[in-house]
Amino acid sequence: KQEVTQIPAALSVPEGENLVLNCSFTDSAIYNLQWFRQDPGKGLTSLLLIQSSQREQTSGRLNASLDKSSGRSTLYIAASQPGDSATYLCAVLGQAGTALIFGKGTTLSVSS
Amino acid sequence: SQTIHQWPATLVQPVGSPLSLECTVEGTSNPNLYWYRQAAGRGLQLLFYSVGIGQISSEVPQNLSASRPQDRQFILSSKKLLLSDSGFYLCAWTIGTGGFGYTFGSGTRLTVV
Repeated sequence: KQEVTQIPAALSVPEGENLVLNCSFTDSAIYNLQWFRQDPGKGLTSLLLIQSSQREQTSGRLNASLDKSSGRSTLYIAASQPGDSATYLCAVLGQAGTALIFGKGTTLSVSS
Repeated sequence: SQTIHQWPATLVQPVGSPLSLECTVEGTSNPNLYWYRQAAGRGLQLLFYSVGIGQISSEVPQNLSASRPQDRQFILSSKKLLLSDSGFYLCAWTIGTGGFGYTFGSGTRLTVV
């Protein structure tokens, strides 16, 4: 059974810092991996989607990497801003799976 | 463009009352549809998914049921709510096997009192 773990559970940083959020998964037979952002009381916004054949994806200040063989993904946020404060969720879609399996998320707080 | 709608946004219901949450998708045909629940301190848990009209698969035994009466409509129901049904319910859709990613609705916050 696929399990997804995100470390740390919470992170507080001052504005301007570069930071890394970690995601690990137990079954490397994945179809793709998706990073989402969730603001308090809101739905999920897709940030980046990495196919199993890809190593990384970039969107603006965000860069996500995937090492399928080791079961790891990282989300790198450059020059963090207070507006980046949110919960970041990692989710994997297994090759034989029917739906995304989520980690519990990392709650990020960026202070000005 | 494709959009997904969920309603209501918030709901407070007494224990033992019925429940109906609705999700609709626009701008696409034959989507795969999903209901997830996010309880306090827990991750998103898949409740139901549907690959077509009338086709519902349940992932977790519970007090809830789902139906798909139309191609782009997905309904989550309960005959009698329990306190443990409280949570944030999210609907999502994707096309095919999900290779293009998932899109989520804005969610419904359900509080059972």
